[in-house]
Amino acid sequence: GQNIDQPTEMTATEGAIVQINCTYQTSGFNGLFWYQQHAGEAPTFLSYNVLDGLEEKGRFSSFLSRSKGYSYLLLKELQMKDSASYLCAVKGDYKLSFGAGTTVTVRA
Amino acid sequence: DVKVTQSSRYLVKRTGEKVFLECVQDMDHENMFWYRQDPGLGLRLIYFSYDVKMKEKGDIPEGYSVSREKKERFSLILESASTNQTSMYLCASSFQPWNNEQFFGPGTRLTVL
Repeated sequence: GQNIDQPTEMTATEGAIVQINCTYQTSGFNGLFWYQQHAGEAPTFLSYNVLDGLEEKGRFSSFLSRSKGYSYLLLKELQMKDSASYLCAVKGDYKLSFGAGTTVTVRA
Repeated sequence: DVKVTQSSRYLVKRTGEKVFLECVQDMDHENMFWYRQDPGLGLRLIYFSYDVKMKEKGDIPEGYSVSREKKERFSLILESASTNQTSMYLCASSFQPWNNEQFFGPGTRLTVL
C-alpha cells in the first residue's frame, strides 16, 4: 500500500522561510514530485527528486532522503502569492500517489 | 503554452443521472489521467490511459468508466451518479506515464443532489 504524510496546515510571515515535510511508505520508489495548487486552480509542477540530496530552483528547494522515506519542500523569502496548497506525490512501482496536501498561509 | 481543458468548471446533477466529464489536451501526450480531489484525502487516481482505446483502473474505479477514442480526448463517465461522487474532478496528461510532470486541467466541481 501507499502512505504519504504531510502536515495539514502551516502559517508563516512574508519574507520568512517555511519547510514542508513529507514522509512516505510506498511499494517501490521511483521519484517524488512536489506540486503547488492555488485555491480553485489546477496543481502545477514544482520539482522532481529521484536521487538523494537537494534540488534548488530559485526560491524553492526540494530535498530527498530515500533511506529515510523523507522529503521536504523549502520555500524561502515567502511572498503573499505563495499562499497555496503544496502536494507531495510519490511514484511507486507503477503510479503516482498523492499526499493530502499542506495549506500554507502567508501573513503580511 | 501547454493546455489541458475540461468541459465544465461547475456541474450539478441529480442522483441516478449519467454524467460525462470531458478532457482535452493539446500537447500530443500519450498518457491521460482522471483524479478526484476531496478535502483531507488528496488526489486519488480513478482511471488512466496509455494510448488511444487503452485504459487502466486506478485506485478508485468503482462507479466510473472512461473512454479514449482520440489521443487528445479522455472522457470520464459516471454511469449512475450518486451523492458520494460529489467532488472535484481533475484531468491530467503527461508525455511519459510517471517519470514526467503531469499537466492538470482546471478541474470540474461536480455536485450530485
